[in-house]
Amino acid sequence: GAVVSQHPSRVICKSGTSVKIECRSLDFQATTMFWYRQFPKKSLMLMATSNEGSKATYEQGVEKDKFLINHASLTLSTLTVTSAHPEDSSFYICSPGPDSYNEQFFGPGTRLTVL
Amino acid sequence: QKEVEQNSGPLSVPEGAIASLNCTYSDRVSQSFFWYRQYSGKSPELIMSIYSNGDKEDGRFTAQLNKASQYVSLLIRDSQPSDSATYLCAVYTGTASKLTFGTGTRLQVTL
Repeated sequence: GAVVSQHPSRVICKSGTSVKIECRSLDFQATTMFWYRQFPKKSLMLMATSNEGSKATYEQGVEKDKFLINHASLTLSTLTVTSAHPEDSSFYICSPGPDSYNEQFFGPGTRLTVL
Repeated sequence: QKEVEQNSGPLSVPEGAIASLNCTYSDRVSQSFFWYRQYSGKSPELIMSIYSNGDKEDGRFTAQLNKASQYVSLLIRDSQPSDSATYLCAVYTGTASKLTFGTGTRLQVTL
């Protein structure tokens, strides 16, 4: 399956700061990138879908001005959490694809803690 | 009605037993079906894909698909403590061009 990296794996920041999460698709040209969020003991929730070179499509209830997604190349997508607050503390996971078998593989995730 | 439904569990099975995980979906035009395993604090890992009716076996795992009943299941034979995780069922529908996930079933394999 696709090899996906995320950086950083863990970040702790103060309330009001912005945090950028990078997602790299190492062996798969990611025309589409999905960004998910998962709160503790909760299910995976799709935040947004981005296509390379175009604006992301956000799921209902996700603020596009707060969660900025850039998908400028087939191998790199970034998610910036602007003016982070404690309620944004979560596990953020990217997923390129799907591939020709409709399979999706996930990055290792970024755990964000906002103090 | 949720698009993909799973029993949240926990499902507790003794070591060496067969664990049976079930999933139903609502969209009849769904094309592809997946099982992911997610350990606590980790991201989901794809363990099985199934596209046509019947059984598909891979090692200790068997996925079963019944499109008429809109039902997909995962059997884990000879369950091991290392199988203890949350198992996510996911369904791909071409019209949506994305996966829809169930909420997951937590499996506990006891010694």
